[in-house]
Amino acid sequence: NAGVTQTPKFQVLKTGQSMTLQCAQDMNHEYMSWYRQDPGMGLRLIHYSVGAGITDQGEVPNGYNVSRSTTEDFPLRLLSAAPSQTSVYFCASKRGVSYEQYFGPGTRLTVT
Amino acid sequence: AQSVAQPEDQVNVAEGNPLTVKCTYSVSGNPYLFWYVQYPNRGLQFLLKYITGDNLVKGSYGFEAEFNKSQTSFHLKKPSALVSDSALYFCAVRVPYSGAGSYQLTFGKGTKLSVIP
Repeated sequence: NAGVTQTPKFQVLKTGQSMTLQCAQDMNHEYMSWYRQDPGMGLRLIHYSVGAGITDQGEVPNGYNVSRSTTEDFPLRLLSAAPSQTSVYFCASKRGVSYEQYFGPGTRLTVT
Repeated sequence: AQSVAQPEDQVNVAEGNPLTVKCTYSVSGNPYLFWYVQYPNRGLQFLLKYITGDNLVKGSYGFEAEFNKSQTSFHLKKPSALVSDSALYFCAVRVPYSGAGSYQLTFGKGTKLSVIP
């Protein structure tokens, strides 16, 4: 199994540009989540999904959209990038009844 | 609000010495607590969890954690530190979220552990 994969690894955007961060998992996990990691702030939940077709907002959803058309994929869209969205983004997944989350390697995003 | 706190931003320990990374929690009801580790330029990896049962929980890579209900703490420990243990450590608690039966993890801010040769 590849586990949780994320692309790209690095990205630089200009303010106002849009882009999609990709996340895929091959473990047939129902739950998928997006977090952002900022220095001194730990991980904060952006959006999550409990299954295909079902998404919900986390702690810091503003400026981000998600969709879950398949079990495997959970893309995160930045509609109009802002410097405040400069961060490292992690995707995670888990089986519905499990406590352990599996994290992807992260995408480091810089917005100038 | 249900949360965890990691009071130390950084912990330094000499190789071979015991290490402790501290975590305290604030939850209503029984806490479900976790430790994750993040090595440089990598995603988080699960170390161990406390759900119920023995207060001393054993996990991966020789780590263990002690649950103390009276002190609302869940400290991560290892008897003999290795240089390769140098990483960022996160404590987390499971919290109910949105719809019934939905839970998410709330993470502490992380503690950077440096093991000095």
